Amino acid sequence: EIVLTQSPVTLSVSPGERATLSCRASQSVSNFLAWYQQRPGQAPRLLISDSSNRASGIPARFSGSGSGTDFTLTIDSLEPEDFAVYYCQQRRYWPLTFGGGTKVEIK
Amino acid sequence: QVKLVQSGAEVKKPGASVKVSCKASGYPFIGYYLHWVRRAPGQGFQWMGWIYPKTGETDYAQEFQGWVTMSRDTSVSTAYMELSRLRSEDTGVYFCARASDIAYMDVWGPGTTVTVSS
Repeated sequence: EIVLTQSPVTLSVSPGERATLSCRASQSVSNFLAWYQQRPGQAPRLLISDSSNRASGIPARFSGSGSGTDFTLTIDSLEPEDFAVYYCQQRRYWPLTFGGGTKVEIK
Repeated sequence: QVKLVQSGAEVKKPGASVKVSCKASGYPFIGYYLHWVRRAPGQGFQWMGWIYPKTGETDYAQEFQGWVTMSRDTSVSTAYMELSRLRSEDTGVYFCARASDIAYMDVWGPGTTVTVSS
């Protein structure tokens, strides 16, 4: 199965700054990668699909890029509600797999 | 409003079975794949399988084959996930999630906590 490795595990960022999160796949998943946000006590929320397509209602400060094995989620000008855990997920191969997550915390 | 509502927390003994429900509203239930994902304590998300409510077709992750059963009742727009022969390692939060694009999950239920303990 495809292993997704996210880095860093924890990212300390000040509000208003940019956060850059990485997701690396154990083999190419083309562009079939999604990003989710999970706030404490809540279910995950889809942010990005197919590497770079923002889901409905997701603010423009969230952007995704990458293909093959290396992907990036960028959050421009962090808002207080953006401090959460972010996960990547691939759908190129079954079984679907998720990364271990990156926690974005307030610096 | 598109919504998935899951059944309440369960406590089970090892060897028992658990059946979690997921009721959909706000969209045509039969038209979207529905996935089940588990989150064990201290671990990441683990995909368990999907059901296509229109046909009842299912696909399970290999490690769950033989002891998970996904089903649906279209008359009440509800999907079910039953896990048998529970072990302590099955303790966790079980989510149902609608897939907007077969395998990207755009709407999630709140999760159902299942605790397996003797």
